[in-house]
Amino acid sequence: DTEVTQTPKHLVMGMTNKKSLKCEQHMGHRAMYWYKQKAKKPPELMFVYSYEKLSINESVPSRFSPECPNSSLLNLHLHALQPEDSALYLCASSQEEGAEQYFGPGTRLTVT
Amino acid sequence: GQNIDQPTEMTATEGAIVQINCTYQTSGFNGLFWYQQHAGEAPTFLSYNVLDGLEEKGRFSSFLSRSKGYSYLLLKELQMKDSASYLCAVVGDYKLSFGAGTTVTVRA
Repeated sequence: DTEVTQTPKHLVMGMTNKKSLKCEQHMGHRAMYWYKQKAKKPPELMFVYSYEKLSINESVPSRFSPECPNSSLLNLHLHALQPEDSALYLCASSQEEGAEQYFGPGTRLTVT
Repeated sequence: GQNIDQPTEMTATEGAIVQINCTYQTSGFNGLFWYQQHAGEAPTFLSYNVLDGLEEKGRFSSFLSRSKGYSYLLLKELQMKDSASYLCAVVGDYKLSFGAGTTVTVRA
């Protein structure tokens, strides 16, 4: 299994809503990542988890809250988002931090 | 921090060869990746270089010179499906950063 899965594929939420993005991998990878990608821009790193511990937080606003319940799962909890947070949110995993990353298909988020 | 430069756009004809250059400046270099991304899809891994030299994988090859902070991705026998954005990504101090990407358009 060389797949990273993400749910949902699409999400529309209001600025007062609370929602969560989910990511799962069964490759035994010990590092997992969240990226944000706006149209025609490269992915921007948000968070890195290594061995289920938060390793990197790229000064992301607190309205984004990551969670790593176990080595296969990574969540991104969303609360009080702004319209400018609308983007493609990509999850990735790698054997170790710094190794080649495999990306999930992404969740396209629209904040209204 | 990291500074990664690659051309914005390139156009080539089906069956031709295209070379996408990438220059970078980083601390604690741990490796360089090339990813392909079709519009609306996630990036997919193409190649990885950590030592100087050429890595070949079918129609795609990637080259690295660490002393020059330089890499290129070579796409041979271009096909229409190769039209995509190609992202150079550098690992510095174990953190991956992407260049802005090069949009390659393949014309018949």
